Amino acid sequence: DIQMTQSPSSLSASVGDRVTITCRASQSISSYLNWYQQKPGKAPKLLIYAASSLQSGVPSRFSGSGSGTDFTLTISSLQPEDFATYYCQQSYSTPPTFGQGTRLEIK
Amino acid sequence: QITLKESGPTLVKPTQTLTLTCTFSGFSLSTSGVGVGWIRQPPGKALEWLALIYWNDDKRYSPSLKSRLTITKDTSKNQVVLTMTNMDPVDTATYYCAHRTYSSSNAFDIWGQGTMVTVSS
Repeated sequence: DIQMTQSPSSLSASVGDRVTITCRASQSISSYLNWYQQKPGKAPKLLIYAASSLQSGVPSRFSGSGSGTDFTLTISSLQPEDFATYYCQQSYSTPPTFGQGTRLEIK
Repeated sequence: QITLKESGPTLVKPTQTLTLTCTFSGFSLSTSGVGVGWIRQPPGKALEWLALIYWNDDKRYSPSLKSRLTITKDTSKNQVVLTMTNMDPVDTATYYCAHRTYSSSNAFDIWGQGTMVTVSS
């Protein structure tokens, strides 16, 4: 199985901050990397697919980059509704695997 | 508009078999490239993929749970069913079904609301 490691595990930031979350794969996954946002008690929501493609309806302050083994999710200017947990997931091979999550909290 | 909804028991006893149904609308599971997956999340923990079924009836399972899982589809009813045998308290989790297509790089682009399953005697 491909292991996905996110950093940091948690992060405190303020509204308006620029935030970057990192995801590393245990082997190359090309650009088969997806990012999800999950709020408490809700299902995950797809934000970014194929490393850098913005899912329809997702605000442009979210962006993704990377290929191979190292990827980043960037939120350019945090909004109050962005405080949530973020997961990366590889769709390069079966089984699809998720990172452990990054909890983004209000400072 | 694609929607999915999970249904099934909220409480099962240890050793029992869990049967969950995912009822969907807005797409057909006979369309090339389409799949439906199951993912679970224990309370306070990360997401774990369980199983996936494709339009062509190809089925994939989590290697660690493969012996306990069965996934099937009923295209005429727009349903996907997951069964998990020999339930244990560690299987307590919210279970989600999700839509997947090649067009979104195999990401799970639409998720159901989830159903919480507690395993307890």
